[in-house]
Amino acid sequence: SYDLSQPPSVSVSPGQTASITCSGDKLGQKFACWYQQKPGQSPVLVIYQDSKRPSGIPERFSGSNSGNTATLTISGTQPMDEADYYCQAWDSTTTKVVFGGGTKLSVL
Amino acid sequence: EVQLVESGGGVVRPGGSLRLSCAASGFTFDKYGLHWVRQVPGKGLEWVSFVSGDGSETYYGDAVKGRFTISRDNGKNSLYLQMISLRSEDTAFYFCAKDHYHDSSGYPYLDSWGQGTLVTVSS
Repeated sequence: SYDLSQPPSVSVSPGQTASITCSGDKLGQKFACWYQQKPGQSPVLVIYQDSKRPSGIPERFSGSNSGNTATLTISGTQPMDEADYYCQAWDSTTTKVVFGGGTKLSVL
Repeated sequence: EVQLVESGGGVVRPGGSLRLSCAASGFTFDKYGLHWVRQVPGKGLEWVSFVSGDGSETYYGDAVKGRFTISRDNGKNSLYLQMISLRSEDTAFYFCAKDHYHDSSGYPYLDSWGQGTLVTVSS
């Protein structure tokens, strides 16, 4: 089966840049996307097709994907960005959607 | 505005069955694939199943394959998940989510999510 790995937690100071990684075998050859989930809420798509932002998502959210690693970058991180973040890819070999285990972003 | 409203959750005994529904509005229903995703409270997201816009493609996660069946009624703008032989490890919030494309050739990602319905499998 195809697996995606994320660090369990990342900490960042307000106004600084947060980077959350997602690793998988040849992930750069797939499209990666990212979801934000705040406590008690449903996930929200923040990045799709590696680096595109849906309408309404702030410009401080950006993404990249190369080699075996996709990265979500939040520039000028705000306290409201504190949430769980999940990466996701489609494995066409097994025809399955795969989620990473999630990363808890703390802004402190 | 896309709206997805799940229903049908509840408490069921191990070995029992349950059928979840998801009522959709705000988009042309039959043009988009749909997913079920579940989440054990306090844990991560787990993909359950996908159905294409016309219902011709269905895919399942390993944990539910053979026990769960996804289906849709494009005349009623509704998505379903029939669950049988339920186990304690199936206890989770179940989310209905819209895909950005009508089938898996679009490299699926989930652009809108419902609020979820809780399924508890317990004796």
